[in-house]
Amino acid sequence: KAGVTQTPRYLIKTRGQQVTLSCSPISGHRSVSWYQQTPGQGLQFLFEYFSETQRNKGNFPGRFSGRQFSNSRSEMNVSTLELGDSALYLCASSFSFRDRGFYEQYFGPGTRLTVT
Amino acid sequence: AQSVSQHNHHVILSEAASLELGCNYSYGGTVNLFWYVQYPGQHLQLLLKYFSGDPLVKGIKGFEAEFIKSKFSFNLRKPSVQWSDTAEYFCAVNAGKLIFGAGTRLAVHP
Repeated sequence: KAGVTQTPRYLIKTRGQQVTLSCSPISGHRSVSWYQQTPGQGLQFLFEYFSETQRNKGNFPGRFSGRQFSNSRSEMNVSTLELGDSALYLCASSFSFRDRGFYEQYFGPGTRLTVT
Repeated sequence: AQSVSQHNHHVILSEAASLELGCNYSYGGTVNLFWYVQYPGQHLQLLLKYFSGDPLVKGIKGFEAEFIKSKFSFNLRKPSVQWSDTAEYFCAVNAGKLIFGAGTRLAVHP
């Protein structure tokens, strides 16, 4: 079974721009979560989508948003980029039931975003 | 508040030494616990998981972890480490989202 894939793998953007990252989950997984990884803050949860609905959200500003498509693929968008948004953005997919949350999560390789 | 605490940020061992990495969590709901590993240049991989049942769980590559409910702990162990175990290890609790510890960097010297 193919793993979680993320595109692009590397991205350089300028402050004020916006960016869209893409994630394709493992086949059959309907839950997709996004995390931000930085040296200072570690791994922090952004949001989780299940069946095209945001099911959970972390403590990030509204500039961070996401969506999920009917094929479970997900995108996250960051608008008005700031220098502090430079990070590794990880996508994770999981098998899940609607009312029981997710089981173990499987991570993609991440998108390395650099904001200059 | 929900949190995960990993006691050691950096650990250095020689090959064949035993390993124990500490993890304590704070979460009031049903506990699902995980250890993930991130090898240099690679993505996060699931090492082992605890959902219920036997509190001693075995994972890949000879790792095991013990869930001690009374101590809110989920420590990772390996009897004899190898150079290839050099990596960063993350403990996490499922609180509707994964809450990760800060990670422990393990360096194993030949």
